[in-house]
Amino acid sequence: AQSVTQLDSQVPVFEEAPVELRCNYSSSVSVYLFWYVQYPNQGLQLLLKYLSGSTLVKGINGFEAEFNKSQTSFHLRKPSVHISDTAEYFCAVSPYNQGGKLIFGQGTELSVKP
Amino acid sequence: KAGVTQTPRYLIKTRGQQVTLSCSPISGHRSVSWYQQTPGQGLQFLFEYFSETQRNKGNFPGRFSGRQFSNSRSEMNVSTLELGDSALYLCASSPGGLAGIAKNIQYFGAGTRLSVL
Repeated sequence: AQSVTQLDSQVPVFEEAPVELRCNYSSSVSVYLFWYVQYPNQGLQLLLKYLSGSTLVKGINGFEAEFNKSQTSFHLRKPSVHISDTAEYFCAVSPYNQGGKLIFGQGTELSVKP
Repeated sequence: KAGVTQTPRYLIKTRGQQVTLSCSPISGHRSVSWYQQTPGQGLQFLFEYFSETQRNKGNFPGRFSGRQFSNSRSEMNVSTLELGDSALYLCASSPGGLAGIAKNIQYFGAGTRLSVL
């Protein structure tokens, strides 16, 4: 079985400040890791993914994430946020052998203030 | 390439009725997955269809069912609606297949917001 824990439900931050959204996961099998973003009244947009290779992955809109296997973490970072980054962010895992199944964390609401 | 299309975008039903939601995947994608999003339970996996067969299933009652057609379009049906079924229902498509890591990358539609009165 798999589970995903996003350690912060809400993260307020000022514009141009750095931000880190934390994600830990638990799984008895190997998984792929993802971050998705959801803007109000919209579906989910893929931000970035870790499938294999380098543990530091870069995504869209200046976001990056680092996969740490020993700590089973996949934290999302951005060095300087904008007002337009205000949204809900979801960390998710997908078991290697169940390609069509994503297990999500509860989400982190990022609020960027001017 | 067109994205994942879900219809309708909004739906209002009453308790006891049934509802059918539709999802058209990205061209060439053979896997379609469905998710329920609610404020209390978050995003939960319902089921996945690949080549017209249900390949994975979440922990939802039998009132929730789905199917996939030969053109990969999928429908989800909920019978005997309950108030707790009010949610945003999201569909996602991926290439699918049995090999290659790309099969796990899912792309989402805008969702169907279902309100049960």
